[in-house]
Amino acid sequence: EAGVAQSPRYKIIEKRQSVAFWCNPISGHATLYWYQQILGQGPKLLIQFQNNGVVDDSQLPKDRFSAERLKGVDSTLKIQPAKLEDSAVYLCASSLGPGAPSADTQYFGPGTRLTVL
Amino acid sequence: GEDVEQSLFLSVREGDSSVINCTYTDSSSTYLYWYKQEPGAGLQLLTYIFSNMDMKQDQRLTVLLNKKDKHLSLRIADTQTGDSAIYFCAEFTGGGNKLTFGTGTQLKVEL
Repeated sequence: EAGVAQSPRYKIIEKRQSVAFWCNPISGHATLYWYQQILGQGPKLLIQFQNNGVVDDSQLPKDRFSAERLKGVDSTLKIQPAKLEDSAVYLCASSLGPGAPSADTQYFGPGTRLTVL
Repeated sequence: GEDVEQSLFLSVREGDSSVINCTYTDSSSTYLYWYKQEPGAGLQLLTYIFSNMDMKQDQRLTVLLNKKDKHLSLRIADTQTGDSAIYFCAEFTGGGNKLTFGTGTQLKVEL
C-alpha cells in the first residue's frame, strides 16, 4: 500500500514570496491533516479535512495560510506572503476517518522542509 | 487543557533497554500513540494504546499507561543503533477529535 506522498521535499524562498505544498493521502482515507513542525518541537495541527470539508482550521493563520481539498483526495497548502517564522517542516497525514474500526490512526508523509530567508 | 510533556534527551548503550516517558493532562484522551521520527523523515507510527488498557506489548516495544497519573512510557528492549531517532508521544482526544504531540525525546544509542 502506498503511503502519504508530499512534494516538494525541500523549498527555499525569500520572505514575502508565496509557496505551495502538495499532498496525496493514502487511498481510501477520508481525513487529511496538515501539520507544522518547527525545529525542536512536536507537530502542531494547522487544518483538518474530512473529504472536501474543513473540520478544524482553528490554528491556521488565515491571513497568510490557505488550504484546499477540492475533490476530497489531494490537498494543497499555500503560504502567501511567507514570513521568516514560517520556516518549518510541513507534514501531511491521513486517516480512515469516521469509519475507522477502532483508533483512527494517522499516517504521515515525509514532509516538506521550508526555509524562508 | 491539552499539554503533553517529554524529557528532551535519552542516551543508552546498545543492547540495553530504553524507557521514554511522557505525561499528558487531558483525562478524556481515548488513545495514546508513539511515533518515531528519523532525521529528515516524517513520523512513523510505532504503536498505540487504548485508554482502558494499562499495558501493550509489540515485539521489542512495551507501552505502559498509568491513567491515574496521566503517565505513558515506551520501553524498547535490546536497543539497537537503528533505534536512534526522536520519539513523540501523542494523545488523541475524541471530544476534540485531534492529536496533540509532545515535544519529542531524542534517543541516542551508543556502541
